[in-house]
Amino acid sequence: DGGITQSPKYLFRKEGQNVTLSCEQNLNHDAMYWYRQDPGQGLRLIYYSQIVNDFQKGDIAEGYSVSREKKESFPLTVTSAQKNPTAFYLCASSIMGSGANVLTFGAGSRLTVL
Amino acid sequence: AQSVTQLDSQVPVFEEAPVELRCNYSSSVSVYLFWYVQYPNQGLQLLLKYLSGSTLVKGINGFEAEFNKSQTSFHLRKPSVHISDTAEYFCAVSEGVMVFGAGTILRVKS
Repeated sequence: DGGITQSPKYLFRKEGQNVTLSCEQNLNHDAMYWYRQDPGQGLRLIYYSQIVNDFQKGDIAEGYSVSREKKESFPLTVTSAQKNPTAFYLCASSIMGSGANVLTFGAGSRLTVL
Repeated sequence: AQSVTQLDSQVPVFEEAPVELRCNYSSSVSVYLFWYVQYPNQGLQLLLKYLSGSTLVKGINGFEAEFNKSQTSFHLRKPSVHISDTAEYFCAVSEGVMVFGAGTILRVKS
């Protein structure tokens, strides 16, 4: 079945460490997105990419980095510069980056900083 | 800039009662509107979407929503809820990149 796979599902990090969250899709979607979810704040956009080797910052990109070397993959690195990284991270994709296209979401990765 | 306001952070309701989850949006151009549902520790699933045409949109699991341009609203309704509808519901608007509201937790009580 087609879908989005996020890994790991749970991740613990010590302060000062970088961590990378994986997102892989086999839907042949052009656009991919990373959102951060905190209780009571909804989903906030971190980065998105509409084409390979190109990506744009979202509303809360500081302390994060991404790459898009393959159409299927859009990993997110949470760097030590992110002051409050504990959150639920959601990866999504869509056919193309236009407003009418529905997002398909992965199951999420929960990052906890110890 | 587009934005979404979900007017209730939590909505408690008894099983088999009707429910309405409220959503208001702002956007400078024609909008596309969505409702998603999230069960605990899972991703979001699409409930329904409004792209154009009829202002009453039907979705999965018996939910429906009505687009009201004059009131810039897109409220979600279900005539009779079940325990299994307990989840968090997100309203979203998209002109290009999707923007989500803060979410409404629906708690269905027996």
